[in-house]
Amino acid sequence: GAVVSQHPSRVICKSGTSVKIECRSLDFQATTMFWYRQFPKQSLMLMATSNEGSKATYEQGVEKDKFLINHASLTLSTLTVTSAHPEDSSFYICSAPTREYGYTFGSGTRLTVV
Amino acid sequence: GQQLNQSPQSMFIQEGEDVSMNCTSSSIFNTWLWYKQDPGEGPVLLIALYKAGELTSNGRLTAQFGITRKDSFLNISASIPSDVGIYFCAGQRGQGGSEKLVFGKGTKLTVNP
Repeated sequence: GAVVSQHPSRVICKSGTSVKIECRSLDFQATTMFWYRQFPKQSLMLMATSNEGSKATYEQGVEKDKFLINHASLTLSTLTVTSAHPEDSSFYICSAPTREYGYTFGSGTRLTVV
Repeated sequence: GQQLNQSPQSMFIQEGEDVSMNCTSSSIFNTWLWYKQDPGEGPVLLIALYKAGELTSNGRLTAQFGITRKDSFLNISASIPSDVGIYFCAGQRGQGGSEKLVFGKGTKLTVNP
């Protein structure tokens, strides 16, 4: 089936530094990638939608300068959390629509900012 | 953003019991999806529903797309310990394609052996 590989699975960073999260589609071309944020015991909240070769679309209330999204190829989308602060600590998940398998999710990245 | 109304929020059941959870919306969705999420993992698709009234099974799981297109339910029969996890419903206004999903808040299922 269609697989989205997400890395890293866990990252701890110091406040003020930037962290990059990668999502790769392994056996299909992902023209679109959705990026979600999930707080403990809560549902997935869509942050932004990236489309290959064009600017990402951000949901209301999401700072585009803080959460930089790049979708430079059909198999790779990245989310960079810039100047991270403790309140950015969360579980970040990517997802890509596929023709045969609906939406495929990455395994998530647990970000802890200390 | 908009979310679906999913209930119950949590369930504690004995192994072997059947489970039912549902999602409702004030607006129409043309695709309903049910996912399971284990701790520290991304959601995994269980069942996808594309037609109003559709009843679809996947092993011990059965889900239905409501006739009004504003609700869906998921049943799990003869629960086992590995059914533990958080179940999410998700709706899409279109059918397939790359339109974004709207998620329910999840149902946390605990199965006691």
